[in-house]
Amino acid sequence: GQSLEQPSEVTAVEGAIVQINCTYQTSGFYGLSWYQQHDGGAPTFLSYNGLDGLEETGRFSSFLSRSDSYGYLLLQELQMKDSASYFCAVWGATNKLIFGTGTLLAVQP
Amino acid sequence: EAQVTQNPRYLITVTGKKLTVTCSQNMNHEYMSWYRQDPGLGLRQIYYSMNVEVTDKGDVPEGYKVSRKEKRNFPLILESPSPNQTSLYFCASSLQGRDQPQHFGDGTRLSIL
Repeated sequence: GQSLEQPSEVTAVEGAIVQINCTYQTSGFYGLSWYQQHDGGAPTFLSYNGLDGLEETGRFSSFLSRSDSYGYLLLQELQMKDSASYFCAVWGATNKLIFGTGTLLAVQP
Repeated sequence: EAQVTQNPRYLITVTGKKLTVTCSQNMNHEYMSWYRQDPGLGLRQIYYSMNVEVTDKGDVPEGYKVSRKEKRNFPLILESPSPNQTSLYFCASSLQGRDQPQHFGDGTRLSIL
């Protein structure tokens, strides 16, 4: 089967750094994406890793290790507005996009 | 403005009454897809389409139909809705398939009684 695992909840304080991990098991792999979703809203794209290594976009970075079937999203200088759900998603062997069940990030003052 | 538009945003209906949720994008995207989101289950792909007249099943296609007669439109059809299809539905599009960011609509909240 195909599955993605990520923690269900993470709590951090404003200004801190938080890492959200994602491990995957899929038939075929073409890349790992991350999406942010505020409560009740549409998911929005954050980053994509097709190759091993770190991708940086402002305060957000994403890492991929294909040999370990593992990736993470790193959020730095946390702000209250970063409180949201974060989903990892994998493009598998077909053109399906498979999402994890999401990590609810709570940023506290 | 580049966007994915879904209609309706909210719908309460009854079991067995056929309904269609429309999805339209104005970005000339080739790839379009439908997802449902349920608490604790994340987003699950229902159907996707690589281009006009090309559609494929996602992970949870049972009870749904789609069509892609024009590039911009990708309606989701529930021929005989049942209460287990009560969910939040999202349509999304991207320029092509893999490695492209998905642009999501604002969602449609369906309640089937």
